[in-house]
Amino acid sequence: EVQLVESGGGLVQPGGSLRLSCAASGFTFSSYWMHWVRQAPGKGLVWVSRINSDGSSTSYADSVKGRFTISRDNAKNTLYLQMNSLRAEDTAVYYCARGPVGYYYMDVWGKGTTVTVSS
Amino acid sequence: QSVLTQPPSVSGAPGQRVTISCTGSSSNIGAGYDVHWYQQLPGTAPKLLIYGNSNRPSGVPDRFSGSKSGTSASLAITGLQAEDEADYYCQSYDSSLSGSGVFGTGTKVTVL
Repeated sequence: EVQLVESGGGLVQPGGSLRLSCAASGFTFSSYWMHWVRQAPGKGLVWVSRINSDGSSTSYADSVKGRFTISRDNAKNTLYLQMNSLRAEDTAVYYCARGPVGYYYMDVWGKGTTVTVSS
Repeated sequence: QSVLTQPPSVSGAPGQRVTISCTGSSSNIGAGYDVHWYQQLPGTAPKLLIYGNSNRPSGVPDRFSGSKSGTSASLAITGLQAEDEADYYCQSYDSSLSGSGVFGTGTKVTVL
């Protein structure tokens, strides 16, 4: 079964850091682009970041550029999102999602992990 | 603030047809970039409904269809069913934004 399982969410103070992980199974992880998408409470979906299949190319939404870093370990079938200098507006459910190479749509989604930034 | 605009809500009775619009601009839909659609049932993760403007992934009922014209796209649901009550999002690529995997503002579909 194709599956993505996020972990690492939690409560963090403003200015703090958190690293999210996304464990992939049931497919050839290294053959896909991977994305992070977030959803603030009661709000819509917001694309956060994307990494290509071998990790050599990344892109970010302006709202997180310079603060968040996406990476992957294809040997461990795991995607990461390092989040630094967190702000209250980063509070959201963070989803990892799989996408075909070269395309920005996501065909498989995890269930999400919740990040709360609050003092 | 999204660059793809959707109506906040649409509603219809069971069996009816509803459409959801997704309005963009010359830097996204109008530039020829594909539009994709997702369904998000309450309390769950989004699910891919339509990709590449009009293609349905395996398992998605043919009651759902997508189209694109100019700077807009549409999702149609025919034979509306109670289980279709959900939030729907369009998505495309925008060449004027960094990163650029932009989502629409989202539409709540209510089955009356």
